[in-house]
Amino acid sequence: LAKTTQPISMDSYEGQEVNITCSHNNIATNDYITWYQQFPSQGPRFIIQGYKTKVTNEVASLFIPADRKSSTLSLPRVSLSDTAVYYCLVGERSTGRRALTFGSGTRLQVQP
Amino acid sequence: GAVVSQHPSWVICKSGTSVKIECRSLDFQATTMFWYRQFPKKSLMLMATSNEGSKATYEQGVEKDKFLINHASLTLSTLTVTSAHPEDSSFYICSASGASGNTIYFGEGSWLTVV
Repeated sequence: LAKTTQPISMDSYEGQEVNITCSHNNIATNDYITWYQQFPSQGPRFIIQGYKTKVTNEVASLFIPADRKSSTLSLPRVSLSDTAVYYCLVGERSTGRRALTFGSGTRLQVQP
Repeated sequence: GAVVSQHPSWVICKSGTSVKIECRSLDFQATTMFWYRQFPKKSLMLMATSNEGSKATYEQGVEKDKFLINHASLTLSTLTVTSAHPEDSSFYICSASGASGNTIYFGEGSWLTVV
């Protein structure tokens, strides 16, 4: 499984756009990139998943460059409720029998 | 979307007793479920992979006789912490993936406190 590296923590203010970058230099051809959000005392929540270029949904955008060695989760206009830990994971999409391996994650603190 | 539910959300037990945590997939059949353990301010650590109808696969360092996993149906996996000790106190999280395996969904987590 490809190893991921993320900043340990980030600070932001309400209304700002937050970009969290994840490095995954040894990503494999079949690997997808998935981001999860975790609040204290809750299980991780799926945010977004992508393979290449750009993916956007109602809560976030995911930017993946052509070499796929990194990815950036973009949260538009964050609010206090976006304070959480964000995990970047890399793994085969179709292999439901393989567990996700979590890195340290990025602890985002949004200030008023 | 797919929902994975855990029960109980929190449990307190005495040292030496056993406690069972259930993980259910509510609207899909989960051929594979995963159990994680998380300490405060730490990341999730995979404990074991639970496959329906077969024995669980445990990660290195996880005692299979202490953490019993049963996946008797396509919608239920259970984790039983046997002879619990205070050091077993932790946040336990399960996740499940359906047959397509496109996305893995996580339960709400279960807090175990052993006193």
